Amino acid sequence: DAGVTQTPRHEVAEKGQTIILKCEPVSGHNDLFWYRQTKIQGLELLSYFRSKSLMEDGGAFKDRFKAEMLNSSFSTLKIQPTEPKDSAVYLCASSLTGNTGQLYFGEGSKLTVL
Amino acid sequence: GQQVQQSPASLVLQEGENAELQCNFSTSLNSMQWFYQRPGGSLVSLFYNPSGTKHSGRLTSTTVIKERRSSLHISSSQTTDSGTYLCALVLSNTNKVVFGTGTRLQVLP
Repeated sequence: DAGVTQTPRHEVAEKGQTIILKCEPVSGHNDLFWYRQTKIQGLELLSYFRSKSLMEDGGAFKDRFKAEMLNSSFSTLKIQPTEPKDSAVYLCASSLTGNTGQLYFGEGSKLTVL
Repeated sequence: GQQVQQSPASLVLQEGENAELQCNFSTSLNSMQWFYQRPGGSLVSLFYNPSGTKHSGRLTSTTVIKERRSSLHISSSQTTDSGTYLCALVLSNTNKVVFGTGTRLQVLP
């Protein structure tokens, strides 16, 4: 079975650009999470979907970050406009709905904003 | 306050030594998961351990719900064990995950 797939693995953007990161969850998983990871802040939740419905949008990240889940097997995270402080690794994870909750992570997308 | 606290924050071992990593939590949970992350790498699940003890090779995870703690024991450490170990709670009512701040382990040859 395929795990969580994220693309691109690396992205370099100029300040002010729009970037879109993509994620395909494990087939059959109903929960999808977007996280941002930096050395200083650690892992921060950006968005959480359950069965394609947005359950949590990460509060402080609402302004320039927008995650969407158009179907059960594909999600995007748009950052618009990008700022240098957005440089981080963006991780996508999925899990089954209900009481299991075991998370499976993708390889991540490393974003560098110049 | 912080719901998950990990200790120690960092640890340096000589190859062959054992390590005990701790995760303490202040809220009710559905499960506990331990992850390993190599620098620049993704998170690899080591254990999904709602309660009790699980073993995998040189690794042992023990979660005691009523004491609100979980531990990860690494025996006979190897240089390839170097990296960051993260614990994560799955909150019972929302399926939301809360991560600890991690333990950075360095095993020297």
